[in-house]
Amino acid sequence: SQTIHQWPATLVQPVGSPLSLECTVEGTSNPNLYWYRQAAGRGLQLLFYSVGIGQISSEVPQNLSASRPQDRQFILSSKKLLLSDSGFYLCAWSPVGGNYGYTFGSGTRLTVV
Amino acid sequence: AQSVTQPDIHITVSEGASLELRCNYSYGATPYLFWYVQSPGQGLQLLLKYFSGDTLVQGIKGFEAEFKRSQSSFNLRKPSVHWSDAAEYFCAVGAWNAGNNRKLIWGLGTSLAVNP
Repeated sequence: SQTIHQWPATLVQPVGSPLSLECTVEGTSNPNLYWYRQAAGRGLQLLFYSVGIGQISSEVPQNLSASRPQDRQFILSSKKLLLSDSGFYLCAWSPVGGNYGYTFGSGTRLTVV
Repeated sequence: AQSVTQPDIHITVSEGASLELRCNYSYGATPYLFWYVQSPGQGLQLLLKYFSGDTLVQGIKGFEAEFKRSQSSFNLRKPSVHWSDAAEYFCAVGAWNAGNNRKLIWGLGTSLAVNP
């Protein structure tokens, strides 16, 4: 069966520090991968999605970047965190085409101080 | 424009009462529709989905949803709510993007509280 792992679960980082959040999927090949941010009362905001290694689409301009160095690995990064980067970050995957919905990781609570 | 509206930001029900969470969508083609649930501090879990066929779909945890094309709605229901159902519920529609992949368009969610 397929599983998705996301870490760390919580992170407190100072303003201006770098960020690296990692997400890996097991039990499937060539998944579509997604990074979402969730702020309180604002629903889910799609940040990046990827349909293959090295293929990254950005949905909103921001302080963050994403990379997909391996088929089932998706990394969210920042060189210098801002206070506004605080939030709950969710990684998700779907089969190719995305027809059958997404499966989400357990999320990372990021607090920038 | 494609959109999903969940009119109720917050709902409180008593344990054992019935539940209906509303979802309206705007999408030009045949929609793929989803309901997800999120417990505090957790990721989202798929409750049920509709692609085609029978407009009443059954999901996990005793939930069901009915697709009504004429009303552009996909409301979530449960006949008897349990305290463990307290969570945030999200409705989503799958829309085709330029890369020939479906992207989910999300509602803002409905927060459900359950009174004992």
